[in-house]
Amino acid sequence: DSGVTQTPKHLITATGQRVTLRCSPRSGDLSVYWYQQSLDQGLQFLIHYYNGEERAKGNILERFSAQQFPDLHSELNLSSLELGDSALYFCASSVVHGAGANVLTFGAGSRLTVL
Amino acid sequence: GEDVEQSLFLSVREGDSSVINCTYTDSSSTYLYWYKQEPGAGLQLLTYIFSNMDMKQDQRLTVLLNKKDKHLSLRIADTQTGDSAIYFCAGTLSGGSYIPTFGRGTSLIVHP
Repeated sequence: DSGVTQTPKHLITATGQRVTLRCSPRSGDLSVYWYQQSLDQGLQFLIHYYNGEERAKGNILERFSAQQFPDLHSELNLSSLELGDSALYFCASSVVHGAGANVLTFGAGSRLTVL
Repeated sequence: GEDVEQSLFLSVREGDSSVINCTYTDSSSTYLYWYKQEPGAGLQLLTYIFSNMDMKQDQRLTVLLNKKDKHLSLRIADTQTGDSAIYFCAGTLSGGSYIPTFGRGTSLIVHP
């Protein structure tokens, strides 16, 4: 158990629908990152939040949004779903080690299947 | 093109050494990381190396960094079947960004 909790583990839905993925970071970590893992694109960075504020955006579609709440958990909202959104969505939290490395701790992922 | 590139597959015999290679494009990379993903699980950090180092060793793992060629490798000594997994190279690229950019991962298959 990495300490990063993601729910749900699996989700099957239809095109056009909206889903919410949830992440609780490791205790003490203020940063939450979202990544999408698909066969054709590999592991793509979506968005980063730090202590409730958005800090960086990657290849996140406009149909997707995220937020981090005061208790530090985060939600990734995916709307108007398309077949191509089927992927594993990972949440990670981080602590900066002494030398400054940004080491991510990943959750087990949420597998989204869009039919 | 991609910022971090890896070969997709590697097959080795149990007990042999495995060498997983990675190339990156950004010469200003500060940290380079190796993560392991087992089936059904998230990525787990194996080790990382700071860009001013050439080598780092941690038990069966040896990381070599060639900054001139922008090449990173992970050597696993005495590879075991339990080492079968996907190995991801990652770097903090793009001029000071702290966001790790990942390669597509190398599937390591260890057979008896």
